Amino acid sequence: EIVLTQSPGTLSFSPGETATLSCRASQNVSSTYLAWYQQKPGQAPRLLIYGAFTRATGIPDRFSGSGSGTDFTLTISRLEPEDFAIYYCQQYVSSAGAFGQGTRVEVK
Amino acid sequence: QLQLQESGPGLVKPSESLSLTCTISGGSISSSSYYWAWIRQSPGKGLEWIGSVYYSGSTYYNPSLKSRVTISVDTPTNQFSLRLSSVTAADTAVYYCARAPWMHVGWFDPWGQGTLVTVSS
Repeated sequence: EIVLTQSPGTLSFSPGETATLSCRASQNVSSTYLAWYQQKPGQAPRLLIYGAFTRATGIPDRFSGSGSGTDFTLTISRLEPEDFAIYYCQQYVSSAGAFGQGTRVEVK
Repeated sequence: QLQLQESGPGLVKPSESLSLTCTISGGSISSSSYYWAWIRQSPGKGLEWIGSVYYSGSTYYNPSLKSRVTISVDTPTNQFSLRLSSVTAADTAVYYCARAPWMHVGWFDPWGQGTLVTVSS
C-alpha cells in the first residue's frame, strides 16, 4: 500500500503570504493519480486539485499543484482568511487509494 | 448543482451492523460517468475510502474492510447505501458519501456533509 506523508503537521502564516505544503509518497505515484482537498471545521473535505495540477471547478487560481514521482506540492498564493484550514493529499493509483494525515495551515 | 445527503442512525451497538443511506439530488445516480463512494474519517485513522458502487450495481471495496462491507444502489430512489457488519468502537467515525467522477477510487467531488456514527453499548 502506498503511504502518503504530509509534514509538518502544522504551518503558520500571515494573510497575504504564500504557503507551500508537501506530500511525499512511499512509492512512485503518477501525477495523474494525486489530489488535494481542503477541510474546514465541521465541514466535509472539498476537492481543490486532481491529476496533481488541475484545479477543480470553482477553485481560485491562487491554489496550484505541482510535483511528480514521490514528491508533490500544493501552493496557496496570497493567503486569504478563508484559506486557513486543513489540507489533505490523496493518491488513487493503488486499489484502495490513501489519504495523507493532513497539514493544518494556521494564522501566525 | 449536485448534492449528497447521508442519513441513518447515529448510534450503533458493538457487534451489530451499521446502515447508512446517501440520497442524491440535482443529478442522477444512473449517469454512466460516475461512481458513488463511501468514505469515513476518524481521529485515529484519518480519511479512509470504504468502497464504491456503479449504477449497474458493480461494487469495489477497500480490502481492509471487504469482509464486512456491502454497498448497494437503488436507482429508482436515486440512493445508494452502506452496510458495515460486526462493528466495534474502531468503526466510530464521520461517514461521508461522495461522487467519484473518474474511477471507483479516484478523486471525490462533491461530498455530503457527513454523519457521525458512534459505536457504543
